[in-house]
Amino acid sequence: DVKVTQSSRYLVKRTGEKVFLECVQDMDHENMFWYRQDPGLGLRLIYFSYDVKMKEKGDIPEGYSVSREKKERFSLILESASTNQTSMYLCASTTGGTSRREQFFGPGTRLTVL
Amino acid sequence: GEDVEQSLFLSVREGDSSVINCTYTDSSSTYLYWYKQEPGAGLQLLTYIFSNMDMKQDQRLTVLLNKKDKHLSLRIADTQTGDSAIYFCAEMATGRRALTFGSGTRLQVQP
Repeated sequence: DVKVTQSSRYLVKRTGEKVFLECVQDMDHENMFWYRQDPGLGLRLIYFSYDVKMKEKGDIPEGYSVSREKKERFSLILESASTNQTSMYLCASTTGGTSRREQFFGPGTRLTVL
Repeated sequence: GEDVEQSLFLSVREGDSSVINCTYTDSSSTYLYWYKQEPGAGLQLLTYIFSNMDMKQDQRLTVLLNKKDKHLSLRIADTQTGDSAIYFCAEMATGRRALTFGSGTRLQVQP
């Protein structure tokens, strides 16, 4: 079974702090994604990566950056956390082929910025 | 551009059928998906349908696709309390690497 793990289930940080969210997948997937989930808004794509050191902005990249130094690991960085970044963050991965590209999700990290 | 819309809430009685609806705007969508999210958990793929199909059945789940109206529905037969969750519709458009998700429909099943 594919497993996508996220470093923390719950995180509380203060405004202005630098925050790192880590995601690891064990299926050698090329593509990895970071979404944020807010009530009534569904999932919105922040960034995704299609290969090591390669990244593309999603729909809401402002205030975020990402890092992919190894294939299995994709990190989301909040350079200076703000209260409007309080949200549920979901990581996902998928193969890079022409298959139906099922995305496998981690359990999520609920981040609260005070 | 892509946009996926769903109603936010549906309440049914245990044993009834549930129908969750979704509309999308990108006619180039190749695959359309239904994901389920249980409380406190990530999303889990329930089923998907390729754009050249109009129906897919998988045990209690039936997916209907109307490409002309860009309408997708998920029917759950004999709905159980364990089906209470948020259901997300998502599309994968041609040339895109990422899915576009709807806002999610919260299904509440009353005993």
